[in-house]
Amino acid sequence: GESVGLHLPTLSVQEGDNSIINCAYSNSASDYFIWYKQESGKGPQFIIDIRSNMDKRQGQRVTVLLNKTVKHLSLQIAATQPGDSAVYFCAENIVDDYKLSFGAGTTVTVRA
Amino acid sequence: DTGVSQDPRHKITKRGQNVTFRCDPISEHNRLYWYRQTLGQGPEFLTYFQNEAQLEKSRLLSDRFSAERPKGSFSTLEIQRTEQGDSAMYLCASSEGAVSNQPQHFGDGTRLSIL
Repeated sequence: GESVGLHLPTLSVQEGDNSIINCAYSNSASDYFIWYKQESGKGPQFIIDIRSNMDKRQGQRVTVLLNKTVKHLSLQIAATQPGDSAVYFCAENIVDDYKLSFGAGTTVTVRA
Repeated sequence: DTGVSQDPRHKITKRGQNVTFRCDPISEHNRLYWYRQTLGQGPEFLTYFQNEAQLEKSRLLSDRFSAERPKGSFSTLEIQRTEQGDSAMYLCASSEGAVSNQPQHFGDGTRLSIL
């Protein structure tokens, strides 16, 4: 399942498929971006981050892509598993301004 | 390496009462943050500490709210004269302070319900 380009509040994915979650950020001065996963009743869990001098970064089963021209961030999850079901947030940060600004979350549901 | 710890996990109180929450950050993290999260929304920044110094406060932090980090380790967030609108999840996060743009690691929050 994927939602290329457009932020969607919900995403339903078949187990084993790849997922793409999109985020549009607001501030052109933002230079650091983080993806978080939040499960019900828990705090946001760090997944992966990327700085503005990069356009791609890979982790374990996850890839973050950054397009500064259109202020767009995406998170790709390979071979989505039931444990990936959660709300995913992107967050942005401006250099020397330590607070994070969070985007609208995307609820990912993995179908067995 | 233990994560960020918050206490209590849940707090139910009557309107008008005072409440205090505690946050223990990851050891050696000298930056500590408080956020508030309401249902269906992302966390919103409240305040930030570098060691024991409170360096920034959001306009969301009314004068009924006060936060401290007296020894640069744990932090407390107090809400006086609670109101219905204070019902939310209060999240604490910490990060290393050596360089800017380090990931913030969150605790599991304190869920506050005002009756």
